[in-house]
Amino acid sequence: GDSVTQMEGPVTLSEEAFLTINCTYTATGYPSLFWYVQYPGEGLQLLLKATKADDKGSNKGFEATYRKETTSFHLEKGSVQVSDSAVYFCALSVPGANSKLTFGKGITLSVRP
Amino acid sequence: KAGVTQTPRYLIKTRGQQVTLSCSPISGHRSVSWYQQTPGQGLQFLFEYFSETQRNKGNFPGRFSGRQFSNSRSEMNVSTLELGDSALYLCASSATGVGTQYFGPGTRLTVL
Repeated sequence: GDSVTQMEGPVTLSEEAFLTINCTYTATGYPSLFWYVQYPGEGLQLLLKATKADDKGSNKGFEATYRKETTSFHLEKGSVQVSDSAVYFCALSVPGANSKLTFGKGITLSVRP
Repeated sequence: KAGVTQTPRYLIKTRGQQVTLSCSPISGHRSVSWYQQTPGQGLQFLFEYFSETQRNKGNFPGRFSGRQFSNSRSEMNVSTLELGDSALYLCASSATGVGTQYFGPGTRLTVL
């Protein structure tokens, strides 16, 4: 079946540090890939997405590139801020599954001033 | 446009009771999906409704059911509540069901 694997957390960084959160996937068919973010007490917000190989999704300084050869979609940001503290989820959807998203377990990021 | 709204935001029930949660999608969106979020299992897909028809279903027991109305609003029902049903229930909407989904703030259900 389809699955998403995220690196274990939590992750604690100092402000302005470089961030990488690893995400790999297994999917039937050609998936679309997503990163969602969840701030405390809130629902999920779409951070970025990519729908085909070598696409780069970007938003708010975050980037992720769809790597079909390594089945990966790692999230990066060059300089994190305290306001980036949240839980980050990698997810995929496959053709034919309509709106069903398969999520990774999520990783908590804490950024210290 | 207003975002996805869910009511109530918090709910406390006891074992054996039943509960109904409501979701109003973004105006014009015809697809509504439901997810359960727990610390142990993470985010799991429950089901999706599109134009009042269930189009996709996750691996949950029959105690979990849903429906969608002609105005695209959706309700989710859980009967004979168990302690393990305590979770954050998230609703998401999209225009066609294929593409970006927008999530509501969730309903926090606590079963005592």
